[in-house]
Amino acid sequence: GAVVSQHPSWVICKSGTSVKIECRSLDFQATTMFWYRQFPKQSLMLMATSNEGSKATYEQGVEKDKFLINHASLTLSTLTVTSAHPEDSSFYICSAPPGTSGRNIQYFGAGTRLSVL
Amino acid sequence: AQTVTQSQPEMSVQEAETVTLSCTYDTSESNYYLFWYKQPPSRQMILVIRQEAYKQQNATENRFSVNFQKAAKSFSLKISDSQLGDTAMYFCAFMTPYSGGGADGLTFGKGTHLIIQP
Repeated sequence: GAVVSQHPSWVICKSGTSVKIECRSLDFQATTMFWYRQFPKQSLMLMATSNEGSKATYEQGVEKDKFLINHASLTLSTLTVTSAHPEDSSFYICSAPPGTSGRNIQYFGAGTRLSVL
Repeated sequence: AQTVTQSQPEMSVQEAETVTLSCTYDTSESNYYLFWYKQPPSRQMILVIRQEAYKQQNATENRFSVNFQKAAKSFSLKISDSQLGDTAMYFCAFMTPYSGGGADGLTFGKGTHLIIQP
């Protein structure tokens, strides 16, 4: 299947700092990427849809000023957690549908564990 | 809005046995996709199987098969000859098809923790 790379896999930061997470499609172009959040022992919740060349679409209840998304190219989307606080500690996962023929399937990055002290 | 329900928080079976994980969903859409994803302790999401709603034939992938009942909005996963490596969280997920307006994200159930005992 298609490969989605996510970096870093684990980040620890101090409260009040910002953290950037990258999601790259390695062998396909992705006009759309998705960002999910997963709390321990819980399911994945869609946070936002990242669209290349346009603004991201956020799910209800997700603060767009807290979670900044930039989809600068057809292979890269970034999620920046601004002014992080301990309650932002979670597992963040990105996904992308590959190309034009495989839009109705999604492949996932390995996820990023964020710990805010 | 779509909802996905997995009513079995945890299941445990012996190696080589067959196990069925249940999933029901609710939607007003007539065309959609259903998925089972596996999340092992590494937390990497792995696609197990996919079903297109307009296809009546149940999808199969080696030891994995589904029982898709569209009228009942049910989508169960059967794992045959279970192996120790099948131990993981299994998530049922729903997605509406890509349209000219773009792709949609997945709606996940709460998951079932499957434990395969040696």
